[in-house]
Amino acid sequence: EDQVTQSPEALRLQEGESSSLNCSYTVSGLRGLFWYRQDPGKGPEFLFTLYSAGEEKEKERLKATLTKKESFLHITAPKPEDSATYLCAVRSNAGNNRKLIWGLGTSLAVNP
Amino acid sequence: DTGVSQDPRHKITKRGQNVTFRCDPISEHNRLYWYRQTLGQGPEFLTYFQNEAQLEKSRLLSDRFSAERPKGSFSTLEIQRTEQGDSAMYLCASSPITSAYNEQFFGPGTRLTVL
Repeated sequence: EDQVTQSPEALRLQEGESSSLNCSYTVSGLRGLFWYRQDPGKGPEFLFTLYSAGEEKEKERLKATLTKKESFLHITAPKPEDSATYLCAVRSNAGNNRKLIWGLGTSLAVNP
Repeated sequence: DTGVSQDPRHKITKRGQNVTFRCDPISEHNRLYWYRQTLGQGPEFLTYFQNEAQLEKSRLLSDRFSAERPKGSFSTLEIQRTEQGDSAMYLCASSPITSAYNEQFFGPGTRLTVL
């Protein structure tokens, strides 16, 4: 069964303290892995798509990497405005399936 | 604003009432998705449209839920005879047909509270 597990569930950092969030997945053929940011009471905001092992993408203080079993979202020198829940989702290449399988998210709090 | 829009943003209703939500996708996106999200959970897939055709529907979706996209543009999600367990954030997302990997772009959501 396709599954996505994110860790840790919650993370509290001091401003400037770099860290990484993990997304482990099992899927019958990976078609894409997606990272989203979600602020309280709002819809998820698209960050990155990763397609193949070894791929990396960056946006401001965020860098996403992908292996055959997991993805990491690295946050370098975070600021309080980076506080949010970060969600990971995968799509399998089984048939014409366009449904995304989601993790439960990592709630990040960055203290000033 | 050219993003996905949803209306209303908040809805409070009494148990047993019917509610309808609207989603307007990004204009050039022909794929549209509905999700439900409760606190501390990831989005839960409900249904998916390509143009006006409803191509996939979650087995979790009871007969009280129905979605339409009559002209392949906006979509509506109706919940009949609401129950307290229907209280959640209802999210709409869209993606372009040109995306081979199905990046989905979400609206702000409709928060439903069933009393």
